[in-house]
This record gives sequence, C-alpha cells and structure tokens, in this order.
Amino acid sequence: AQSVSQHNHHVILSEAASLELGCNYSYGGTVNLFWYVQYPGQHLQLLLKYFSGDPLVKGIKGFEAEFIKSKFSFNLRKPSVQWSDTAEYFCAVNPNDMRFGAGTRLTVKP
Amino acid sequence: DTEVTQTPKHLVMGMTNKKSLKCEQHMGHRAMYWYKQKAKKPPELMFVYSYEKLSINESVPSRFSPECPNSSLLNLHLHALQPEDSALYLCASSQVRDSPYEQYFGPGTRLTVT
Repeated sequence: AQSVSQHNHHVILSEAASLELGCNYSYGGTVNLFWYVQYPGQHLQLLLKYFSGDPLVKGIKGFEAEFIKSKFSFNLRKPSVQWSDTAEYFCAVNPNDMRFGAGTRLTVKP
Repeated sequence: DTEVTQTPKHLVMGMTNKKSLKCEQHMGHRAMYWYKQKAKKPPELMFVYSYEKLSINESVPSRFSPECPNSSLLNLHLHALQPEDSALYLCASSQVRDSPYEQYFGPGTRLTVT
C-alpha cells in the first residue's frame, strides 16, 4: 500500500545535539516531499520542500533534508538543536493530495 | 499575506446541534482543504475543493457537509456529530490542487462533541 513512514515516534535530545529524523515513502512516480512542524499550540508550518533539482534542500531555522531517490527517503537533519525546536514533525508526500506520516515528537532538554 | 484564518478557535457542541466552521484565505489560492487531526496523530484529509468545486470526499460521513461559497471561503457544516468526532479541524489552501505547491494551514478549530 502507498504510505509515508516515519520511523521515530518520540526523540529526546539535549540542546546542541545533532538531529536526524527518518522518512520513507512508497509512492511511485514523481512525488513532491515536505517537512512540516507543529509547535505546541500552533498551526502546521512548512519547514522545507523538495520538488526537483538539488536533492539537498535547506529550510527555515537551520533545518535541511536530503532526498535519496534510490532509498525512497527524505530525512530531516539539523546539526545542533535548541530547546525551541521541541515540536511535532511531520513528513508529507504529495503525489496528488498531501499524505502525512505519523509524525515524530521531538523533545529537546535545556 | 500568507495567512489562513479559521473561526471559531474552540467549539463545544451537543450531538443534536448544528454548527459551522469557517475558513478564509486571501492569497488567491484556488484549492482549499479540510483535515481532521486527532491528538498525537497526523492530519487526515477530509475534503478537497478545486476552483470552488468539490474534488475529493475521503469517505467522510454525511454529518459533515462542506461548502465553498467563493474562492476565499470554505465552510464545514456540522450536524448530529458523535463524541468520536471531537478533534482539531484544520483548513489549508494551496495555489492550485495539483502538486508541487505546498499547503498553508490555518490554526484549526478545536471541536468537542458532548
């Protein structure tokens, strides 16, 4: 079945640690890839997106993601997390309409 | 202006009530969406409007009735809801329905059905 998989349900890090959140999808053909973030009590915001071109995309707040076509992956990274990065992170794929992964809750300890 | 607004922010309704949720955007987007999000879960697509016409209804019960009066407005009419319908209802818009356009989300309406 077509799906979006996020492997980590809850990640706990200390400030300044590096972050990598996994995302795999199983849609064939051309897809567009997104990472959204939902801070506590706030609405979903776009972190970054990939449509074509350079597979390494940079987003807001120091986040980046790498599209690896052969692995059907679009992992999110940040070299050094801050307490303010505590949030829910959703990977999404748009073959026609947006389909979200289950989400990863990130808790950053001060 | 990249804002999608939703009213009300919170809504408590009984199972026999009729209420409506409202969504508005002024970005000139021609695709608008309703999602349902339960706690600690991802948003689930309910309806898609493209150029004010309903394109997708993801097998949503008829107690939810969407309406798109014009290109800036999207309503969700609620009637005879069940307690399990309690959730955060999100509205989103995008330039047009087909990818590669990202969606802009509103803050949501927190609905509680008693």
